[in-house]
Amino acid sequence: DTEVTQTPKHLVMGMTNKKSLKCEQHMGHRAMYWYKQKAKKPPELMFVYSYEKLSINESVPSRFSPECPNSSLLNLHLHALQPEDSALYLCASGGAKNTEAFFGQGTRLTVV
Amino acid sequence: LAKTTQPISMDSYEGQEVNITCSHNNIATNDYITWYQQFPSQGPRFIIQGYKTKVTNEVASLFIPADRKSSTLSLPRVSLSDTAVYYCLVGLGYGGATNKLIFGTGTLLAVQP
Repeated sequence: DTEVTQTPKHLVMGMTNKKSLKCEQHMGHRAMYWYKQKAKKPPELMFVYSYEKLSINESVPSRFSPECPNSSLLNLHLHALQPEDSALYLCASGGAKNTEAFFGQGTRLTVV
Repeated sequence: LAKTTQPISMDSYEGQEVNITCSHNNIATNDYITWYQQFPSQGPRFIIQGYKTKVTNEVASLFIPADRKSSTLSLPRVSLSDTAVYYCLVGLGYGGATNKLIFGTGTLLAVQP
């Protein structure tokens, strides 16, 4: 199984809502990533988890809160987002000895 | 982290070979070069990775000169389905626990019939 599964595929939320994005992989990878991608732009790194601990935070606003409950799951909790946060949110995973990172299909988020 | 520079876009026709070059003048000794492909509204997909000289797999070849300041992704006999954005990444391999996997601007390849 070389799949990274993200749910939901689409999400519309108001600026006062709280929602969560979920990511799951069963490849035994110990590194997991969150990216944000705006239209016609490259993916921008947000967070990196290593062995379930947050190792990199690319100065992401606190309205985005990552969580890694176990080695297979990665969540991104969203609260008080702005319309400019609307984007495709991508999750990826990679093993320390693997030679590639696997990406999910993303969650298309719209903030209204 | 080494910065990468790629052409913004390229055009080709079905059946042709396409070469996309990436410049990475300040690549570090331990850095690998990795290429990903991305279709609209999908996650990037790994194509190929190399450190030096030439690497070939079932979908592409990667040419890296001795100074490693650039690399060229070669796609043999492209088809319409190869229309996508291609990203060149430079870093400490990929998938590692502390690897940032920073994407450059990418090259939009448009394949015409």
